[in-house]
Amino acid sequence: DAKTTQPNSMESNEEEPVHLPCNHSTISGTDYIHWYRQLPSQGPEYVIHGLTSNVNNRMASLAIAEDRKSSTLILHRATLRDAAVYYCILRDVVRAGNMLTFGGGTRLMVKP
Amino acid sequence: NAGVTQTPKFQVLKTGQSMTLQCAQDMNHEYMSWYRQDPGMGLRLIHYSVGAGITDQGEVPNGYNVSRSTTEDFPLRLLSAAPSQTSVYFCASSSFRVPSYEQYFGPGTRLTVT
Repeated sequence: DAKTTQPNSMESNEEEPVHLPCNHSTISGTDYIHWYRQLPSQGPEYVIHGLTSNVNNRMASLAIAEDRKSSTLILHRATLRDAAVYYCILRDVVRAGNMLTFGGGTRLMVKP
Repeated sequence: NAGVTQTPKFQVLKTGQSMTLQCAQDMNHEYMSWYRQDPGMGLRLIHYSVGAGITDQGEVPNGYNVSRSTTEDFPLRLLSAAPSQTSVYFCASSSFRVPSYEQYFGPGTRLTVT
């Protein structure tokens, strides 16, 4: 299975943009890029996903490199509530169906 | 909608005891799964189901059984609890009919085996 690499932790100031990177150099053509986040003492929650094009939703934006070997989750204005572990996950729609394989993620700390 | 519910929230077992972790969803999702999360780690898939009567193993299935008799419920059974099964257990569900295949997670069950 294709793997992802994320920094262990990042820090941000409140109300500033945050760019969370993810490397996935062995991504295959059928892999979707998903981002989930896990707030303290809660289950993960879906943030965004994409295949080739950049994506925006009410929570975040996802920028995908042209060669798809990396992607960046963008939080436009970090709030204290965005402090969480962010997981970048590749989902193979052909082989894996709905299964998600979680790595270690990036722990985002937001300073007031 | 209540979403995905899990009971109990906390449980302490002695080694060798058995128990069932309950999971239910009211979104008519076909896909349900169980994950465990050890301290400081990501989630690992235990078992999953793509519909009533169909289950399959994930990454770490040993010591656990599942069944799916209805669309709504997906209980996880610990056959003979071991300290290595001390973890937080999350149940999740999703629908094949939604393009994002967004998975909804329950609040978790924190299990300690002594």
